[in-house]
Amino acid sequence: DTGVSQNPRHKITKRGQNVTFRCDPISEHNRLYWYRQTLGQGPEFLTYFQNEAQLEKSRLLSDRFSAERPKGSFSTLEIQRTEQGDSAMYLCASSLGGSLYEQYFGPGTRLTVT
Amino acid sequence: KQEVTQIPAALSVPEGENLVLNCSFTDSAIYNLQWFRQDPGKGLTSLLLIQSSQREQTSGRLNASLDKSSGRSTLYIAASQPGDSATYLCAVYQAGTALIFGKGTTLSVSS
Repeated sequence: DTGVSQNPRHKITKRGQNVTFRCDPISEHNRLYWYRQTLGQGPEFLTYFQNEAQLEKSRLLSDRFSAERPKGSFSTLEIQRTEQGDSAMYLCASSLGGSLYEQYFGPGTRLTVT
Repeated sequence: KQEVTQIPAALSVPEGENLVLNCSFTDSAIYNLQWFRQDPGKGLTSLLLIQSSQREQTSGRLNASLDKSSGRSTLYIAASQPGDSATYLCAVYQAGTALIFGKGTTLSVSS
């Protein structure tokens, strides 16, 4: 069990550029979640996958955001045409299943849009 | 819409003190409640998970209780240490939204 990993850990980009983040969940975990956290706030749910199927999306996930989990393994979160308001910590979590299981979080990717 | 509130927002205590962190939620239709610890600039570390049918969970110096009907949970930390200094987050799990978090309580334990 190597834990949830996320790459990159930090990303600085200019407004209007596209960025992509990667999350590698704990192996055998079939649920994968994405959250966003801004300074002084708790994380906010963005979307989650059960294996390769994206089951829920938050209203926070505008059409500039897209997430994939090919083959039910790692996941990517892409933000197109970044805006300064996208600056945040993007957190990934995984779990063995739904509500009965703990979610384990990765270290996050800190995005700064200049 | 579910709202999770944590009181106090910040807390400073001397080493060795026992303390209680509070979490309240507005909709009792939850599947579970999870307490996390977050160090500055880092990800979240899971501390305790309480299923909706349970009343409490214990891990070492930590004890979490859940009163679903009144929409409250508490995290009790015994014999606090400087290494306990961090932000503590409470989150409830609801269908369709995964975890809904409070804003956290920032704890500072002085030696």
